[in-house]
Amino acid sequence: KAGVTQTPRYLIKTRGQQVTLSCSPISGHRSVSWYQQTPGQGLQFLFEYFSETQRNKGNFPGRFSGRQFSNSRSEMNVSTLELGDSALYLCASSLEGVEQYFGPGTRLTVT
Amino acid sequence: AQSVTQPDIHITVSEGASLELRCNYSYGATPYLFWYVQSPGQGLQLLLKYFSGDTLVQGIKGFEAEFKRSQSSFNLRKPSVHWSDAAEYFCAVLGGAGGTSYGKLTFGQGTILTVHP
Repeated sequence: KAGVTQTPRYLIKTRGQQVTLSCSPISGHRSVSWYQQTPGQGLQFLFEYFSETQRNKGNFPGRFSGRQFSNSRSEMNVSTLELGDSALYLCASSLEGVEQYFGPGTRLTVT
Repeated sequence: AQSVTQPDIHITVSEGASLELRCNYSYGATPYLFWYVQSPGQGLQLLLKYFSGDTLVQGIKGFEAEFKRSQSSFNLRKPSVHWSDAAEYFCAVLGGAGGTSYGKLTFGQGTILTVHP
């Protein structure tokens, strides 16, 4: 079974721009969670989608948003990028939101 | 709200030595507990999980962990460390059964493991 895939793997953007990251979960998994990883704050939960509905949300500003499609693929969007948004963004898929399997991440650099 | 503490930021062991990484959690009920490992620039790999039942759980790569409710701990152990085990290890908790908790893992700050030959 193929694992979780994330695209792109690396991204460089300028402050003020917006970015969209994509996550394809393991086949059959209906839950996708997103996390931000930085050296200072560690791993922080952004949000979780289950069957196209946002079921849980972390403490991030509204510039961070996401969605999930009928095939369970998910995207997250960050608008008006700030330098502090530079991070590794990880998505994880699971059957029901419990046992999560992570993708390789997207490394976002904001300049 | 649940929280996870990994007291050791960095641990160094010799190859072949035993290993124990500490994890303490804060949660009212019995949580779902996990250990993940991350190599530099990579995603997280699930090592093992505890949901209920036997408090000693076995995982991949020869790792095991023991859930101790009285100490709110879920320590990771390995009898003999290999050089390839050098990585960063994260303990995580997912709130127990209930839709509002699903999907949200709370992680500790991680423990970096260095293995000397």
